[in-house]
Amino acid sequence: DIVMTQTLLSSPVTLGQPASISCRSSQSLVHSDRNTYLSWLQQRPGQPPRLLIYKISNRFSGVPDRFSGSGAGTDFTLKISRVEAEDVGVYYCMQTTQFPYTFGQGTKLEIK
Amino acid sequence: EVQLVETGGNLIQPGGSLRLSCAASGFIVSSDYMSWVRQAPGKALEWVSAILDDGTKHYADSVKGRFTISRDNFKNTLYLQMSSLRADDTAVYYCVREAAVAGQGGGAFDIWGQGTMVTVSS
Repeated sequence: DIVMTQTLLSSPVTLGQPASISCRSSQSLVHSDRNTYLSWLQQRPGQPPRLLIYKISNRFSGVPDRFSGSGAGTDFTLKISRVEAEDVGVYYCMQTTQFPYTFGQGTKLEIK
Repeated sequence: EVQLVETGGNLIQPGGSLRLSCAASGFIVSSDYMSWVRQAPGKALEWVSAILDDGTKHYADSVKGRFTISRDNFKNTLYLQMSSLRADDTAVYYCVREAAVAGQGGGAFDIWGQGTMVTVSS
């Protein structure tokens, strides 16, 4: 199984400042179709998760452009350019390249 | 409107069985990959099972042999039959759609239900 490991590079975060979350997979997420099925989800308190980013760097419909994704192979990053109060929650990376699908352990974004 | 609505969660004794349902609207369940994802209280998300458009089924090792995923094409509904339930199956269970590879959300979980709570306890 592919293990997904997340870290928060800076926490808690000051409103208006940037934040980054790192995600590393235990093996390459490049699919045989050459796509990399790495996505980022946001889960606000008391809510189901919501898709933010898919295939490493594609913002999902309605997601603010302060969210961006990058990376390749086994190392990926979610960046928030300027954190807002509504960004509080837990962020998950996940891979849908191969079964069993797996999630990172989650990274809690807190605001100072 | 595209949405998923789960029902069937309950308090159940260890060793018991339960069936979860997920009614879809705005899209056709049998045309997409569909999954169940669960989240134990205060814990991370855990993928449980998937059924592909061709009917192929996949399961997490933790539920293999105990849970069965299925769908009713006429009712446009996804199911999760759970048996031999254990305390560590206690979680909110989410029904999720996996977006088609070529479109918006390509290959990711783009539509989530609100979840249904399953509590396994005596």
